Amino acid sequence: QKEVEQDPGPLSVPEGAIVSLNCTYSNSAFQYFMWYRQYSRKGPELLMYTYSSGNKEDGRFTAQVDKSSKYISLFIRDSQPSDSATYLCAITTHTGNQFYFGTGTSLTVIP
Amino acid sequence: EPEVTQTPSHQVTQMGQEVILRCVPISNHLYFYWYRQILGQKVEFLVSFYNNEISEKSEIFDDQFSVERPDGSNFTLKIRSTKLEDSAMYFCATRGEGASGQPQHFGDGTRLSIL
Repeated sequence: QKEVEQDPGPLSVPEGAIVSLNCTYSNSAFQYFMWYRQYSRKGPELLMYTYSSGNKEDGRFTAQVDKSSKYISLFIRDSQPSDSATYLCAITTHTGNQFYFGTGTSLTVIP
Repeated sequence: EPEVTQTPSHQVTQMGQEVILRCVPISNHLYFYWYRQILGQKVEFLVSFYNNEISEKSEIFDDQFSVERPDGSNFTLKIRSTKLEDSAMYFCATRGEGASGQPQHFGDGTRLSIL
């Protein structure tokens, strides 16, 4: 069983839509959760970081963690064409020695 | 905003040759990582490094791979005898002290092409 599974997409939405990106993980030892955005031929760029169940909001982005269900989500409100990228979830344990990444979801926002 | 810098951006090498990929971490960061991303596939963990020691390594990080911090600033990944399947993007990531899950910051990667 993989440590983290991510809905692969691809997703294509009209500008202004709400986007929901999701990952599930297998082990309750994972305590820290991140979302990264990756443009083509660039490194992953940190969007959101959280370690507790519940919601964390930053502008148009909301990260949601449900530790009881081992489920994490990223919501993008009022999506823009510039949001078109691949979104990666990442998780780690309390040691932080190894971070596990989802396979990524490719998002296209159509003007 | 401080950033992780990787050089070269693109490296083309003959199979069997040695390559060294370089990373300059964000200045106060002490935890270092290397990842690999084969075209169209997921980001895969290779190795983590702290206090001049490997903290953890994956199955991919076999005897052909090594890491070091030769001069207190650069963090390098060496592949001793490259294979065709080593062709990938290699990303360096670093993070600072504090909560173990403090997030990593990535460089823009080195694209390694093995001929």
